[in-house]
Amino acid sequence: EAGVAQSPRYKIIEKRQSVAFWCNPISGHATLYWYQQILGQGPKLLIQFQNNGVVDDSQLPKDRFSAERLKGVDSTLKIQPAKLEDSAVYLCASSLQNEQFFGPGTRLTVL
Amino acid sequence: QKEVEQNSGPLSVPEGAIASLNCTYSDRVSQSFFWYRQYSGKSPELIMSIYSNGDKEDGRFTAQLNKASQYVSLLIRDSQPSDSATYLCAVNRGGYNKLIFGAGTRLAVHP
Repeated sequence: EAGVAQSPRYKIIEKRQSVAFWCNPISGHATLYWYQQILGQGPKLLIQFQNNGVVDDSQLPKDRFSAERLKGVDSTLKIQPAKLEDSAVYLCASSLQNEQFFGPGTRLTVL
Repeated sequence: QKEVEQNSGPLSVPEGAIASLNCTYSDRVSQSFFWYRQYSGKSPELIMSIYSNGDKEDGRFTAQLNKASQYVSLLIRDSQPSDSATYLCAVNRGGYNKLIFGAGTRLAVHP
């Protein structure tokens, strides 16, 4: 069974630029999550989708971050404009029930 | 008070010893608990889940849960150098399966 796919794996941008990340969950997993992991910290949930609906985006900085999950499968997370403090690894996870499985992540560096 | 607390370590144990990793959580309504292993530069990998009080064993790993005391632990028997990683404790408070992660404990197993 294929795992969670993410791209790109690495991205370097300058502050105030925009960036987008893509995630394809495990086949059949209805729930998809985007996490932000800053160096030395645990992952922090940004947004959670159940099929193509948002069930939790309480920690998403909505003035600069947006996410969508069209057709209830793939998802994209966008940052516009990026700030220095957005430098982190962005992890996508999916679940069928309780257990969440993570993709390889995208390491974002904002200069 | 952080919602999920872990000792950051490093916890250093000799090869073949038992490594004991601890985690406490603040929300009494938490329902399910997970341990993830994260190698440097990689994404978290689920190694154990536990839902009820007591012990759950899987190979060299044993998860222990005590809801009255609000702690969960992970024991790794016969520790190997390949177990050297950061171990993340995650707590699910129910509802929409939102996970709250601790900052992780770094384990170093030396030959």
